[in-house]
Amino acid sequence: DTEVTQTPKHLVMGMTNKKSLKCEQHMGHRAMYWYKQKAKKPPELMFVYSYEKLSINESVPSRFSPECPNSSLLNLHLHALQPEDSALYLCASSQGWAGEQYFGPGTRLTVT
Amino acid sequence: KNEVEQSPQNLTAQEGEFITINCSYSVGISALHWLQQHPGGGIVSLFMLSSGKKKHGRLIATINIQEKHSSLHITASHPRDSAVYICAVDDQKLVFGQGTRLTINP
Repeated sequence: DTEVTQTPKHLVMGMTNKKSLKCEQHMGHRAMYWYKQKAKKPPELMFVYSYEKLSINESVPSRFSPECPNSSLLNLHLHALQPEDSALYLCASSQGWAGEQYFGPGTRLTVT
Repeated sequence: KNEVEQSPQNLTAQEGEFITINCSYSVGISALHWLQQHPGGGIVSLFMLSSGKKKHGRLIATINIQEKHSSLHITASHPRDSAVYICAVDDQKLVFGQGTRLTINP
């Protein structure tokens, strides 16, 4: 199984809502990533988890809260988002710290 | 900080043409990745290179470590190759180029 799955595919939320994005992989990868991608721009790294510990936080606002409950699962909790947070949120995983990354299909988030 | 430059930014070609996309970077790296993104979002890893050349089907990727330059070639291009191609370098984390939007017309 060489797939990274993400749910939901689409999400519309108001600025006062709390929602979560979910990412799952069953390749035994020990590094997992959250990226944010705006239209016609490359992905921007948000967070990296390595062996279920947060290794990199790219100065992401606290309204985004990552969680890695186990080695296969990565969540991104969203609270009090702004319209400018509307974007495609991509999850990826890799075997180790540096290596080929496998990307999920993304969650397209719209904040109203 | 590594700077990754891709060229061209946009490329339109006819089906069957040979395509070349270039990527240059400013600081030595451990590896370079070529990624493909179709409209709708999902990113697929095409190649990970640290030296030399790799081939997969109609796709060929080369890297020149001394010149800090990589190329992605597509032979016998097809409309289904239409996508954004992104170069990314491994510099403690992935540093992405701006992408090349490729359109292949039938």
